[in-house]
Amino acid sequence: EDQVTQSPEALRLQEGESSSLNCSYTVSGLRGLFWYRQDPGKGPEFLFTLYSAGEEKEKERLKATLTKKESFLHITAPKPEDSATYLCARADSWGKFQFGAGTQVVVTP
Amino acid sequence: GAGVSQSPSNKVTEKGKDVELRCDPISGHTALYWYRQSLGQGLEFLIYFQGNSAPDKSGLPSDRFSAERTGGSVSTLTIQRTQQEDSAVYLCASSSQGSSTDTQYFGPGTRLTVL
Repeated sequence: EDQVTQSPEALRLQEGESSSLNCSYTVSGLRGLFWYRQDPGKGPEFLFTLYSAGEEKEKERLKATLTKKESFLHITAPKPEDSATYLCARADSWGKFQFGAGTQVVVTP
Repeated sequence: GAGVSQSPSNKVTEKGKDVELRCDPISGHTALYWYRQSLGQGLEFLIYFQGNSAPDKSGLPSDRFSAERTGGSVSTLTIQRTQQEDSAVYLCASSSQGSSTDTQYFGPGTRLTVL
């Protein structure tokens, strides 16, 4: 069965303490790997799409990378406003998204 | 421009009642998706529309759940005879064409509580 697994489930960081989130997925039929940010009580907000191994994308303090079996979301020098749940999703050949359970990130001052 | 909107934002109902949840996608987006997010869980796919047709209903958890889309725009998710396990946040997303590489943009969700 196609799966998306995110780790860790939760991450507590000091402001400025860089870290990485992991998203591993089943490879067959992968057409895209998507990262979203979700704040409490809100819908997911799109961050990045990655399509092929070796691809990297950046936005402010966030950088997403993709290998053949997993994706990483690197948070560099995080600020409290980066606190959120980060979700990854794989798109299969038919455009169907499968989401991981998310990583809840808390950044303390 | 306007994003995806959903109504109501919150719905509290009694067990056994029917509820309707509404989604207004981004104007011009042909693909529309419904997901369910239970507390502490990832997003669970429910149904996908391309235009007014639903080529993939595989995620609907039971025959109490149905959805329709009219005019290639607004969609309604209906849950009949609600049960307590239906309590969750129901999220709607739309994408421009529904291809496998299109980004899905999400609405704020409807929080459903079944008492």
